[in-house]
Amino acid sequence: DADVTQTPRNRITKTGKRIMLECSQTKGHDRMYWYRQDPGLGLRLIYYSFDVKDINKGEISDGYSVSRQAQAKFSLSLESAIPNQTALYFCATSETRGSGANVLTFGAGSRLTVL
Amino acid sequence: GNSVTQMEGPVTLSEEAFLTINCTYTATGYPSLFWYVQYPGEGLQLLLKATKADDKGSNKGFEATYRKETTSFHLEKGSVQVSDSAVYFCALSKGSASKIIFGSGTRLSIRP
Repeated sequence: DADVTQTPRNRITKTGKRIMLECSQTKGHDRMYWYRQDPGLGLRLIYYSFDVKDINKGEISDGYSVSRQAQAKFSLSLESAIPNQTALYFCATSETRGSGANVLTFGAGSRLTVL
Repeated sequence: GNSVTQMEGPVTLSEEAFLTINCTYTATGYPSLFWYVQYPGEGLQLLLKATKADDKGSNKGFEATYRKETTSFHLEKGSVQVSDSAVYFCALSKGSASKIIFGSGTRLSIRP
């Protein structure tokens, strides 16, 4: 099984619908992240969480919300999806300290299309 | 603020050619620098990293040297293979509590 598992892998939805992307990890890492990938723009950080009680906005948090249900689970919600939220979404984890701090382990991605 | 700039792609090379993908950064102090690789249909994975000036990161035949004087971390490989076809991302972080900032990615295609 993958260290970081994202579901669903692909989703097509309509404008105005609520969508949740889920992420679970078996790495035992405290830190979890949601990134969005768009062609030519690289990865942009949506939200990040350094532990279960810590949630922080990234550079593009508008229109998104997150929930850290447990150390191993971090979900991303789009309350009312719009077409420009069509993108590839990645969940990632990292250690808190030591040589692994800031080294990200990524899931395989969730491709979301909003019509 | 902190930022990463990398050469635009796509880059197309023949097998066994020499590869350079340029990456420069803007940051105060001494960030940690990374190269990640994304193979088709997969998430990103760490390729190599360097945490201080003049460090050389290396993995799978790829190398990159942390150059403080030129604020650069260029990725090189002496002889590329078809299996190296992927998107390569340069990234930086500063401090254990910082966010990780990515460049826009460079798509590399290797012809047999």
